[in-house]
Amino acid sequence: DAGITQSPRHKVTETGTPVTLRCHQTENHRYMYWYRQDPGHGLRLIHYSYGVKDTDKGEVSDGYSVSRSKTEDFLLTLESATSSQTSVYFCAISGEGANYGYTFGSGTRLTVV
Amino acid sequence: GENVEQHPSTLSVQEGDSAVIKCTYSDSASNYFPWYKQELGKGPQLIIDIRSNVGEKKDQRIAVTLNKTAKHFSLHITETQPEDSAVYFCAASNQAGTALIFGKGTTLSVSS
Repeated sequence: DAGITQSPRHKVTETGTPVTLRCHQTENHRYMYWYRQDPGHGLRLIHYSYGVKDTDKGEVSDGYSVSRSKTEDFLLTLESATSSQTSVYFCAISGEGANYGYTFGSGTRLTVV
Repeated sequence: GENVEQHPSTLSVQEGDSAVIKCTYSDSASNYFPWYKQELGKGPQLIIDIRSNVGEKKDQRIAVTLNKTAKHFSLHITETQPEDSAVYFCAASNQAGTALIFGKGTTLSVSS
């Protein structure tokens, strides 16, 4: 989607290795989010950020950490990847928080073998 | 925290029929309820939303209704077309208005 890009689009990694996914926006939006999408579970919130260096945990944050050192980039790190973290990861942005909707990125498909 | 339940999980209709997807939420403080459509291989896209001070909103063939007393909201698609086939997600804002909590999704199939 315009203004938000995720990288990489696909990644295969081995169990136990660290992995970092990147979300980059050009909209200067304050809020950024990481969700994971799994069959039967829908979209579940991992972490979100409401400003540079300001982050908070979502409902499935265990095993994940995030960093936001500048407005345009929000990084998601799997500290030691496990097979249960095989998923499609979506980043989203919002200018005014949840009450004004999100724009989603195209997703990163991560496979942990 | 907020919990959003969505039904049905799958829905198959004939082209031209109507489709209805229903969601319930748990936190009475939620005041924003968007619906997203996700096509295969893409990220979800916002199609319509409603705020707690409004009971119904329409946009061409799509409408959303909200019943705050019962804490449920619904998506109505009329005159369905094959291109409406997708996964649809409802969501509700958390109490702080900082994040959206999503339902598990409904896979809509429209056959011609």
